[in-house]
Amino acid sequence: EVQLVESGGGLVQPGGSLRLSCAASGFSVTNKFMTWVRQAPGKGLEWVSVIHAGGRTDYSDSVRGRFTISRHNSENTLYLQMNSLRPEDTAVYHCARVNDFWSGTQRHDAFDIWGRGTMVTVSS
Amino acid sequence: EIVLTQSPATLSVSPGERVTLSCRASQSVSSNLVWFQQKPGQAPRLLIYGASIRVTGIPARFSGSGSGTEFTLTISSLQSEDFAVYYCQHYDNWPPFTFGPGTKVDIK
Repeated sequence: EVQLVESGGGLVQPGGSLRLSCAASGFSVTNKFMTWVRQAPGKGLEWVSVIHAGGRTDYSDSVRGRFTISRHNSENTLYLQMNSLRPEDTAVYHCARVNDFWSGTQRHDAFDIWGRGTMVTVSS
Repeated sequence: EIVLTQSPATLSVSPGERVTLSCRASQSVSSNLVWFQQKPGQAPRLLIYGASIRVTGIPARFSGSGSGTEFTLTISSLQSEDFAVYYCQHYDNWPPFTFGPGTKVDIK
């Protein structure tokens, strides 16, 4: 079964750090783009970061310089290292697979498999 | 950065009704748009990619249309399990990816 399971969330003080994990099963994180999306309580979805199959990484403006996305190929796990945390980073953090669907010659990059998320609360 | 707006913010409907949700992009995203369904406490579920291509296993009552800046998600006959929040998201020339604010479909 294709599945993603996040862990590592919790309560942290402003300025602190946390590392989230996303364990994948049923496919290899090495061969896919993988992404993190967060959702503040009662709010909508916000894209955070993506790691390309080749290893390139991209970040939203709100987390660039503070968060680092990575993966451990042999453990088939995606990570998000979060430093200098702020109260506005409080959210459920979901990892997702970016699958490449094809229609003819056109590629579509869609988040097709999601984890249930892990809650991060930044508060003193 | 491309901004997506969705309307209405909330839609109150009865089971069996036809539902039309709108997503508008601040600039053209071609057909590089997806729709998600999210129920409380659950992860989003991918319904449509390429603006109109239904994901395998998604019921035929869900359909997407549009290109450029105007998109629509239609539910032909709303079922009880369809009450949820629906988000559009583009993937044109990413990063970044951006989501719309969502439309909540609730029971009238």
